[in-house]
Amino acid sequence: SQQGEEDPQALSIQEGENATMNCSYKTSINNLQWYRQNSGRGLVHLILIRSNEREKHSGRLRVTLDTSKKSSSLLITASRAADTASYFCATDRSSNTGKLIFGQGTTLQVKP
Amino acid sequence: EPEVTQTPSHQVTQMGQEVILRCVPISNHLYFYWYRQILGQKVEFLVSFYNNEISEKSEIFDDQFSVERPDGSNFTLKIRSTKLEDSAMYFCASSGVAGRDTQYFGPGTRLTVL
Repeated sequence: SQQGEEDPQALSIQEGENATMNCSYKTSINNLQWYRQNSGRGLVHLILIRSNEREKHSGRLRVTLDTSKKSSSLLITASRAADTASYFCATDRSSNTGKLIFGQGTTLQVKP
Repeated sequence: EPEVTQTPSHQVTQMGQEVILRCVPISNHLYFYWYRQILGQKVEFLVSFYNNEISEKSEIFDDQFSVERPDGSNFTLKIRSTKLEDSAMYFCASSGVAGRDTQYFGPGTRLTVL
């Protein structure tokens, strides 16, 4: 498998429900970043979590990082139709070049 | 809020032609990147750039690709002789510190090679 793999690949929920997306990776990292991409549009940065952090919050978003399991999760609480998008995790390995390795992404559909 | 900008938003070119994709990174950032996303696929790293030098490049970034920071604000990606398989969305990104900082992405340039 590849660095930065998300699951599930697709997720469909009702508005108001919570959505959880997971990401696994293989090598040691400096940080892990979550991005959102609306169809055919650019990447919007959501949260960066560093390798020495275990959990971060931003509004309705909660990200966890478990470096022992090399995995991260993104939780969106009280989802809205506007949250419909693809969500990607991207890992920055322990290098000084900043290269991000993206996963395949989770496509989230929130039904009104 | 500062943002990364890219021009053009859409570029159509004939196979074999040269294209230059332009980016204006966030003004106080020091690290610059190009990524691409072929339709329906994941985002792929092309190159990172710091202090007027390439710091890392992927195997995709072969001799037909080059990057330049011609002045204090622009960051360009040149594809010398485009191929059909170069058709993709190209994203520019910038960060303050590589390896420890958020990368902010531009809206992308959709390149279509005919």
